[in-house]
Amino acid sequence: QVQLQESGPGLVKSSETLSLTCTVSGGSMSGFYWSWVRQPPGKGLEWIAYIYYDGTTSYNPSLKSRVTISVDTSRNQFSLKLTSVTDADTAVYYCTRGGWSYDYWGQGTLVTVSS
Amino acid sequence: EIVLTQSPGILSLSPGERATLSCRSSQSITSSRLAWYRHKPGQAPRIFLYDASKRATGVPDRFSGSGSGTDFTLTISRLEPEDFAVYFCHQYGSSPYTFGQGTKLEIK
Repeated sequence: QVQLQESGPGLVKSSETLSLTCTVSGGSMSGFYWSWVRQPPGKGLEWIAYIYYDGTTSYNPSLKSRVTISVDTSRNQFSLKLTSVTDADTAVYYCTRGGWSYDYWGQGTLVTVSS
Repeated sequence: EIVLTQSPGILSLSPGERATLSCRSSQSITSSRLAWYRHKPGQAPRIFLYDASKRATGVPDRFSGSGSGTDFTLTISRLEPEDFAVYFCHQYGSSPYTFGQGTKLEIK
C-alpha cells in the first residue's frame, strides 16, 4: 500500500520560505506524477504544483512566481518550497500521487504563517 | 480558471437512503475530467470517482457518477454509516486544476 507523509515546520514567519517534504513509502516514484495541494482554514482546496518523476513540472499560475517543486527519487521524496509567505499561505498542505486526479494522499500538515 | 460549485452545502440523510450530490462548473470540463473525493476528519482524502463516472479501485458499486460539460452528479444509492463525510469534486481538464467547496453529508 502506497503511503505519503508530509514533514516540515508547522510555523513559518511572514516573508520567509515554507519548505515541506513528502516521503513516499510502499511503492516506487518512477512512472508517476506527484503533486502538492493545500487547504486554507475554512476554504476549499487549491492545487499548487505537480512534478513527474523525471523532474518535469507544472505550477498553478497564481503561485508560480513563489513556488518550486522538486523530486529526489533516490530518497523516495519530493519537496515544496514557497517563498515570501504571508497569512494567506496558512493552510493544511497535502502531498498526493498523481498529476491530475489523485489516488493517494498524505494526511496533511498544517503550516501557520506568523506575523 | 474554472470555478466548481457544489450543492447542497450540507445534506442530511439517514442510512439506507439515496444521496445525490451536485457539482456545477463555470465552464465546460474537457473530456469530463472530473473526480470525486471523500474526506473524513483526521484522514487523508480518498478518491471515489474519476473521469466523471469511473470508480476508483475498491469503491463499491453503490457509488456512481454521471454528467458532462458543466453539470456532474455523484449518487450513493444506499447510504452506509461510513459514507457520512465531506465530498468534494475536482476538475483536471484545464489548468489550473480546481476543486469544489465540498458537500457535507451528515446523518439525519
